[in-house]
Amino acid sequence: QSALTQPASVSGSPGQSITISCTGTSSNIGSYKLVSWYQQHPGKAPKLMIYDVSKRPSGVSNRFSGSKSDNTASLTISGLQAEDEANYYCCSYAGSGTSLFGGGTKLTVL
Amino acid sequence: QVQLVESGGGVVQPGRSLRLSCAASGFTFSTSGMHWVRQAPGKGLEWVAVMFYDGTYKYYADSVKGRFTISRDISKNTLYLQMDSLRAEDTAVYYCARDGYCTNTTCYFFAYWGQGALVTVSS
Repeated sequence: QSALTQPASVSGSPGQSITISCTGTSSNIGSYKLVSWYQQHPGKAPKLMIYDVSKRPSGVSNRFSGSKSDNTASLTISGLQAEDEANYYCCSYAGSGTSLFGGGTKLTVL
Repeated sequence: QVQLVESGGGVVQPGRSLRLSCAASGFTFSTSGMHWVRQAPGKGLEWVAVMFYDGTYKYYADSVKGRFTISRDISKNTLYLQMDSLRAEDTAVYYCARDGYCTNTTCYFFAYWGQGALVTVSS
């Protein structure tokens, strides 16, 4: 399967809100409420930020929120902070036991 | 606390084999689903394989199906990835990751990650 589609880059100023989209198909995002989002700083392992479309793990700031509509999932970060600058990846269950990642989005905090 | 430590990475020639290990601690390994995810240099994340929480089912990405095998040794709390017929495009950092927060089911997200092991396939 082809990777989920994410914008290559997004940017925002401190305090602003940004949204990263993740577009799939009816075979993955459109069929399951199993979308997750990961933050990855350079040279580090990814970190879970959102699971099951909109749930936040313990310890993740409530500035991070997730949603889904049809075949597209979204990650919104409000009150942008310098430490939010990182790469973000979406992932969806794709059926038959498999998972599918997006290509990743580089977030720049101006 | 949950800890995942990968080992076994290195440089290997095309067509050869390599086995990665992932030592797990801080949770009940025998009832947890486990995944392998890889990241080629400068590229994005790619899901590789999953072993269900009870060890009954294993699934693979099309790119590695028939060449890679995921397995585990519960007595050693260790997950493995046997990689055969390696290709240049398998060059990546390989992460092991514990499946979600579910009990006795598979959540299909990656709650905890190891630090990764670099595999370089080159002649």
